[in-house]
Amino acid sequence: DTAVSQTPKYLVTQMGNDKSIKCEQNLGHDTMYWYKQDSKKFLKIMFSYNNKELIINETVPNRFSPKSPDKAHLNLHINSLELGDSAVYFCASSHGAGSSYEQYFGPGTRLTVT
Amino acid sequence: SQKIEQNSEALNIQEGKTATLTCNYTNYSPAYLQWYRQDPGRGPVFLLLIRENEKEKRKERLKVTFDTTLKQSLFHITASQPADSATYLCALAMDSSYKLIFGSGTRLLVRP
Repeated sequence: DTAVSQTPKYLVTQMGNDKSIKCEQNLGHDTMYWYKQDSKKFLKIMFSYNNKELIINETVPNRFSPKSPDKAHLNLHINSLELGDSAVYFCASSHGAGSSYEQYFGPGTRLTVT
Repeated sequence: SQKIEQNSEALNIQEGKTATLTCNYTNYSPAYLQWYRQDPGRGPVFLLLIRENEKEKRKERLKVTFDTTLKQSLFHITASQPADSATYLCALAMDSSYKLIFGSGTRLLVRP
């Protein structure tokens, strides 16, 4: 009965490869997010979808492409992986799109690019 | 742009004492301020939210204050326990924005 789940938990790949991370939430929330947490522990927003519509698109290389097939899923596809993409990626969801809503985070996906 | 500062040094306290963590921000005051807890290898967990027109918010042993004059929020854990050991993140949200801006967190260690 996990609220926000991500797969895989660990991802080790070589530079230049393309990979995807999947996220699902069973909370019935309308809004989902992708965050990147780097080695200094800063958690930075990358994307957000509300009812399958993109509402936040931060300054992220266009090698990163989110896809929301429905309100319960938000996947992240990364093309041509680079060393600097190594980080922990967190998916999150919230009941609404406003910043007054608490966010529920998944367990994270640790991506290591070699 | 908005910046958030949390003490990067770990806070080390004795069990039973009150832990106080600080979150300072620059520029304009946020509409909302949230606090999260993060354990190693896990995602952040929401703890408390306080609005700009609220001075204080409590939940069990937790208390958050919001001082827009000092541009600061304080997070208190009373009667701290070793299980409270974790990294605590503050996050700001502007009224017109959908996004949260997170600080880098402060690690709390509670000694038994």
